[in-house]
Amino acid sequence: GAVVSQHPSWVICKSGTSVKIECRSLDFQATTMFWYRQFPKQSLMLMATSNEGSKATYEQGVEKDKFLINHASLTLSTLTVTSAHPEDSSFYICSASDTSGSKKTQYFGPGTRLLVL
Amino acid sequence: LAKTTQPISMDSYEGQEVNITCSHNNIATNDYITWYQQFPSQGPRFIIQGYKTKVTNEVASLFIPADRKSSTLSLPRVSLSDTAVYYCLVGDKAAGNKLTFGGGTRVLVKP
Repeated sequence: GAVVSQHPSWVICKSGTSVKIECRSLDFQATTMFWYRQFPKQSLMLMATSNEGSKATYEQGVEKDKFLINHASLTLSTLTVTSAHPEDSSFYICSASDTSGSKKTQYFGPGTRLLVL
Repeated sequence: LAKTTQPISMDSYEGQEVNITCSHNNIATNDYITWYQQFPSQGPRFIIQGYKTKVTNEVASLFIPADRKSSTLSLPRVSLSDTAVYYCLVGDKAAGNKLTFGGGTRVLVKP
């Protein structure tokens, strides 16, 4: 199946700093990528939809100025957590949607563990 | 987006067949049904996808009745490594396959 990578796999930062997470589709082009957040023992929560070449669409309650999303190419989307605080500590997962032809599957990255001290 | 409902948890034993049923009463005509498996601290892994009737691959089978208001994931002869959370989702390709995760089913396979 299609492969989606994330970098870094984990990051520890000080409160107030910004952290950038990359999501790449390795063997297909993804016009749409999604960013999720998952807290311990909970399900994935969709944060935003990232569309190549246009502004991201954020879910209700997600601050777009805090979670900056850039989808500059068909294989790369980035999520920047600005001025991170301890409550932003979570597991961030991206996914990429391969909708070419008849394909209709979303593939997930391995996730990035963020710890804000 | 169609909402899905699954059992919170299920226990099984090695070598048994595990069937997880998901209800999606509000599924739309263009929606596909997809199942994912997630291990702790990992991203969800695609298992199987279908639109109607039955789909089978090397790891699972997916049964979808004619009204498509539910679906059943069947895992044959589970092993300890199948202990994970399983998510049933419906999505529309036209919406970029946007998915909304429910609570999932936590499957525990015992020796």
